[in-house]
Amino acid sequence: DIQMTQSPSALSASVGDRVTITCRASQSISTWLAWYQQKPGNAPKVLIYKASNLQSGVPSRFSGSGSGTEFTLTISSLQPDDFATYFCQQYNSFPLTFGGGTKLEIK
Amino acid sequence: EVQLVESGGGLVRPGGSLRLSCAASGFTFTPYWMHWVRQAPGKGLVWVSRINNDGSSTKYADSVWGRFTISRDNAMHTVYLQMDNLRPEDTAVYYCARAADWSWDYFDFWGQGILVTVSS
Repeated sequence: DIQMTQSPSALSASVGDRVTITCRASQSISTWLAWYQQKPGNAPKVLIYKASNLQSGVPSRFSGSGSGTEFTLTISSLQPDDFATYFCQQYNSFPLTFGGGTKLEIK
Repeated sequence: EVQLVESGGGLVRPGGSLRLSCAASGFTFTPYWMHWVRQAPGKGLVWVSRINNDGSSTKYADSVWGRFTISRDNAMHTVYLQMDNLRPEDTAVYYCARAADWSWDYFDFWGQGILVTVSS
């Protein structure tokens, strides 16, 4: 199975900050990576697919990059609505696996 | 509007069974591959199972293989998860999710989730 390791597991930041979350795969997954945002009590929402493609309707302050084993999700200027938990997911091979999550909190 | 609505959850004793349903609407159901993903309370996301568009191909996580069965009824626009021999560690919110494309297994739409609690 491909292990997905996210860092940090928690992050405190302020509105307007630039934030970067990292996801590392235990083996190469090319660019078969998605990022999701989840708020308490809600289902996840896809932000980025194929490592760097912005899902329709997602604000342009979200961006993704990387290939192989190392990936990043960047939020260019944090907005109040962005405080949530973020997960990466590889879809290179089964079983599909997710990172452990990064909880983004208000400083 | 795309909607996925799960039902069938609840409290069940260890060793018991439940069948979850996921009713789809707002899109042409037949071409899409469908998945179940679960999330234990306060924990991360875990993929459970996938079914292809016509039900001829299925995949499972090792943790549920041989106990869970995914199926679909395209006429009813519904996907199912039959869960047998349930264990306390199966306690989770179960989400139905649509694969964005037949070859791209990321999820562009999710249901609201349904809680399954396995406890004596």
